[in-house]
Amino acid sequence: KQEVTQIPAALSVPEGENLVLNCSFTDSAIYNLQWFRQDPGKGLTSLLLIQSSQREQTSGRLNASLDKSSGRSTLYIAASQPGDSATYLCAVRTVPTGGFKTIFGAGTRLFVKA
Amino acid sequence: GAGVSQSPSNKVTEKGKDVELRCDPISGHTALYWYRQRLGQGLEFLIYFQGNSAPDKSGLPSDRFSAERTGESVSTLTIQRTQQEDSAVYLCASSSSRGGSLQETQYFGPGTRLLVL
Repeated sequence: KQEVTQIPAALSVPEGENLVLNCSFTDSAIYNLQWFRQDPGKGLTSLLLIQSSQREQTSGRLNASLDKSSGRSTLYIAASQPGDSATYLCAVRTVPTGGFKTIFGAGTRLFVKA
Repeated sequence: GAGVSQSPSNKVTEKGKDVELRCDPISGHTALYWYRQRLGQGLEFLIYFQGNSAPDKSGLPSDRFSAERTGESVSTLTIQRTQQEDSAVYLCASSSSRGGSLQETQYFGPGTRLLVL
C-alpha cells in the first residue's frame, strides 16, 4: 500500500529564505509525482509534475527533484515570499494498472513572514 | 464499494458543440473535485464541492464551463461552445474530508478524455 509522508508538517521562515520541503513514498513503482499548493478554503493548484523517468522539474522559483529508487522528492523554493504561504502537497500517482488513484501526503503548511 | 466513476470515458465533439461530463463519487464522500489535465501537463483544479456549501469555482477557466452537484451525489461538468483548447482529460475526485481537512485521500475517477475537433 502506497503511503506518502511529508516533512515537516509546518514551517515558518522569514521572507527571502530558501527552503526545502520533503516528500517520501513507500512504493517506488510510481507513474508520476506531483506537487500542489493549497490556499485556505480553496482547491489544489498544481505546481510541478515529475514523470517517473524524470529527475527534476523547474518552474520559476520552484524546483522539484525525484529519486524514485529511494522514494523521495524534494520541493525547493528559492527566495521565499509572503505570497508563498500555503499548504504544499505532494501526490503520487500509482502505475496505470492500479487505476488513477492519487495518494496525497498530509502536506506541509508554510508560513513566510514579511 | 465501487470507486469514483465517470462517463463517458471518451468523447469526441466538434468545435462549438456543448458537452456534459458526469461523475459519480464514492458513496458517502462529501467532497468532490473536478480537475483538467492537458497532454503532458499537471492537474488543473477546476471546481470543488463540499457538502451543501457554495462550491469553489475559482479554477473554472471561462464562463463556458459550469458544474453542478445535487447534494452529496452525482456531479455534472458542462462545457458550452467547446473549443479545441478544451481538449484534455477531465478528472473527478472525491474524498470523505470534512471541514477542509486534507488528511483524507482523494480518490480519482478514470477520467473523461475529451477531444474537440
